[in-house]
Formats: sequence, structure tokens, C-alpha cells
Amino acid sequence: EVQLVESGGGLVQPGGSLRLSCAASGFTLNTYWMNWVRQAPGKGLEWVANIKQDGSERYFVDSVKGRFTISRDNAKNALDLQMNSLRAEDTAVYYCARGLYSSSRAPFDYWGQGTLVTVSS
Amino acid sequence: DIQMTQSPSSLSASVGDRVTITCRASQSISTYLSWYQQRPGKAPKLLIYAASSLQSGVPSGFSGSGSGTDFTLTISSLQPEDSATYYCQQSYSSPPTFGQGTTVEIK
Repeated sequence: EVQLVESGGGLVQPGGSLRLSCAASGFTLNTYWMNWVRQAPGKGLEWVANIKQDGSERYFVDSVKGRFTISRDNAKNALDLQMNSLRAEDTAVYYCARGLYSSSRAPFDYWGQGTLVTVSS
Repeated sequence: DIQMTQSPSSLSASVGDRVTITCRASQSISTYLSWYQQRPGKAPKLLIYAASSLQSGVPSGFSGSGSGTDFTLTISSLQPEDSATYYCQQSYSSPPTFGQGTTVEIK
């Protein structure tokens, strides 16, 4: 059974940092593009970043460029999102999501349960 | 970035009704269009990809159509468990973008 389990969310002050992790199981991580998608409280979905199977390509939404980095460790079946210089507008539930097929254009077929990040003083 | 616009923003329908949600892209996206269902407090669930392909395990009462800029999601016979918010998403170009969502309520 495919499972994605996020961790690392919490309360952080503006300007602070947080590292989210996503533990993958039930499939071979190195076959898929992986993504982070977020959802602010009561709002819609916003794609944040993705990373190619071997980590050689990474893309970000403009609002997080230069502040967030995405990485993966296929041997450990893990995906990470390092978030620096956090702002109030980064407050959201963060989901990791798998691409349906091995392309950056793939839709997201499996999602984790999400981890809440709250940026507030 | 490609903007995705859904209509309506919300709707209320009775069990057994046929429900249609539309999604319009700000430029042509071929058929790089997916639909997701999100129930309250849950993660989104992929329903339709490539505009009209039914994701494995999704009931056949869901269907999608369209290409270019105009797309539709149809629920052929609304069920109580279909009460949720539905999002379209384009993956034609980066960044992938979502519509604002359509909330479906059961009368």
C-alpha cells in the first residue's frame, strides 16, 4: 500500500526556519517526481515545489524561490522541504504528493495527510 | 502562470442529480487537466487526469471532458458521499496551478 507521511510542522516565528519531511512507503521512490502542495486555512490548493527522480531538477513557485529548498533521499525513501525566512503567508497545511507517472507534468495520485505550519509571533 | 477559473464556486443539488462543474484555463493546456475531490479535513484525491481518464478506483459516475481551454467534470448521479470541494489543476506548464475550487453541497 502506498503511503506518504509528513512530519515536522509546527509553530514558528516570522523569519524562522522549519524542515518538513515526508516518509514514503509501498512504492519505489526513485521512479517518481515528488511534490509539495500547500493549503492555507480555508483556502485552495497551491503547488509549492517538485523534484525529479534523481534530484537533478527542482522547481518552485515564485513566492518561495530563494527561501525554500526541496531534497530527497531515495535510499531512505524520504522527501524534505527546508523552509527559511518564513512569513505569515506561508501558514498552511503542507502535503507531499506523488506524481502519477514519471514526468514533471504528472498529476498527483497519492497525497500524505498533511502537516500544519503556522508562522506567527 | 496559467490561471484556472472554476464555475460555479458552490452549488447545492439533490441526491441523484446530474452535476457539472466547469474549469477554464487562461491559455490552451491541451488535455493536461486533472480533477481532485477534497472532503473536509482530508487530503485531496485524484479523480480524473488527462482531462478524461478515470483514476483507478474512482467510481464510474465521475467523468471529465474537454481540451484546450474549456473542461468539465460531471457527476452523473450525485451521492451523499460526493459532498466535497472539487479542484481542477493544469500541469501543462510550470508552475502547476489549481482552480479556486467548487463546493458541492447535498440538499
